[in-house]
Amino acid sequence: AQSVSQHNHHVILSEAASLELGCNYSYGGTVNLFWYVQYPGQHLQLLLKYFSGDPLVKGIKGFEAEFIKSKFSFNLRKPSVQWSDTAEYFCAVISLSGGSYIPTFGRGTSLIVHP
Amino acid sequence: SAVISQKPSRDICQRGTSLTIQCQVDSQVTMMFWYRQQPGQSLTLIATANQGSEATYESGFVIDKFPISRPNLTFSTLTVSNMSPEDSSIYLCSVVRRGGEEAFFGQGTRLTVV
Repeated sequence: AQSVSQHNHHVILSEAASLELGCNYSYGGTVNLFWYVQYPGQHLQLLLKYFSGDPLVKGIKGFEAEFIKSKFSFNLRKPSVQWSDTAEYFCAVISLSGGSYIPTFGRGTSLIVHP
Repeated sequence: SAVISQKPSRDICQRGTSLTIQCQVDSQVTMMFWYRQQPGQSLTLIATANQGSEATYESGFVIDKFPISRPNLTFSTLTVSNMSPEDSSIYLCSVVRRGGEEAFFGQGTRLTVV
């Protein structure tokens, strides 16, 4: 079965610091990769996604992620975080399984940005 | 994109009772899923809601506890039966666009069992 690992469970940064959140997945076949964000009290929103092509993808709010196939990784980055980036971040993978596209999520990373 | 309306958004329930959560999608979708998100945890897949047939449950989840209906391609319900405090969680409805291009989520139902 597919699994997704997020290495950082809690991250605390000051504003303007750089951010990198690790994500690794286990499936060796074709996958679609995603990062979702959940701001306090809100529902999940898509940050960015990767299907194919340029392994460096850019998303909303200055976030980007790099797909490294050899490492089964899809790490999220932002050069300079803001207080408003405080949220829960989830890495997700959609792979074809039994004829269905079933999303599998990492356990999430709680990011707190201090002003 | 897909717009998902999920209700209720929150509820406080007595143990031993049941709660039915509704999920309405603004377009026909083949794949619809129900997730649970416990405090500080990730999203755990409960089941895939299949239109016109029984839902497909993940390990650790059973139909008697979490019966699911999917009468058509735009609507599904999840019932949390005979609730206990351990069922306190956020329950999320999700749909996936054809080709696995993106997963969309309802706003979630925050359930507290007392």
